[in-house]
Amino acid sequence: GAGVSQTPSNKVTEKGKYVELRCDPISGHTALYWYRQSLGQGPEFLIYFQGTGAADDSGLPNDRFFAVRPEGSVSTLKIQRTERGDSAVYLCASSLGGTQYFGPGTRLTVL
Amino acid sequence: RKEVEQDPGPFNVPEGATVAFNCTYSNSASQSFFWYRQDCRKEPKLLMSVYSSGNEDGRFTAQLNRASQYISLLIRDSKLSDSATYLCVVNIADRGSTLGRLYFGRGTQLTVWP
Repeated sequence: GAGVSQTPSNKVTEKGKYVELRCDPISGHTALYWYRQSLGQGPEFLIYFQGTGAADDSGLPNDRFFAVRPEGSVSTLKIQRTERGDSAVYLCASSLGGTQYFGPGTRLTVL
Repeated sequence: RKEVEQDPGPFNVPEGATVAFNCTYSNSASQSFFWYRQDCRKEPKLLMSVYSSGNEDGRFTAQLNRASQYISLLIRDSKLSDSATYLCVVNIADRGSTLGRLYFGRGTQLTVWP
């Protein structure tokens, strides 16, 4: 069956711009997670949804980052006033309460 | 201090070699333990879960020592296709739940050469 999909696969933007990253979880998965992976590091947790609500958003680095999942399926990660330090691969994962399955990620580059 | 510490390597071994990776975790409340594999520029994929009794999956053996908060992965008879980054992962979920964030180590890079 279809896995987790993320769009776009690559995003290049300029410092100060706004970006949206999209995640389509595996159908029926109630839990959805966002992680960020910098070069040479393991993924770092950002936020986790159970259904439509954010169950844990303690990993969001600051108030420029926001995520929504309005219908309990697709999620969008929104980054305002991007900074060069936001450059990373943004990974989405979904689960039914067990194994987390990851999407291919969105590679964000802030110039 | 990071939740999960791993030696980043790199490990460069010939085909057929046995190689071991280790990691330590800092939070004694950690509930679940995993090894994920990540190929270059790809997403992490679950390799195996890790249990206190130790578990084996073909050429791969994982061990967990809760007392010393230590996790290991042993790969026997290495293949070229084993070349990847191996991520040590722990989950600190609410009691009775398997949900919650994963904490990743920085990964250990393995290259198997012919």
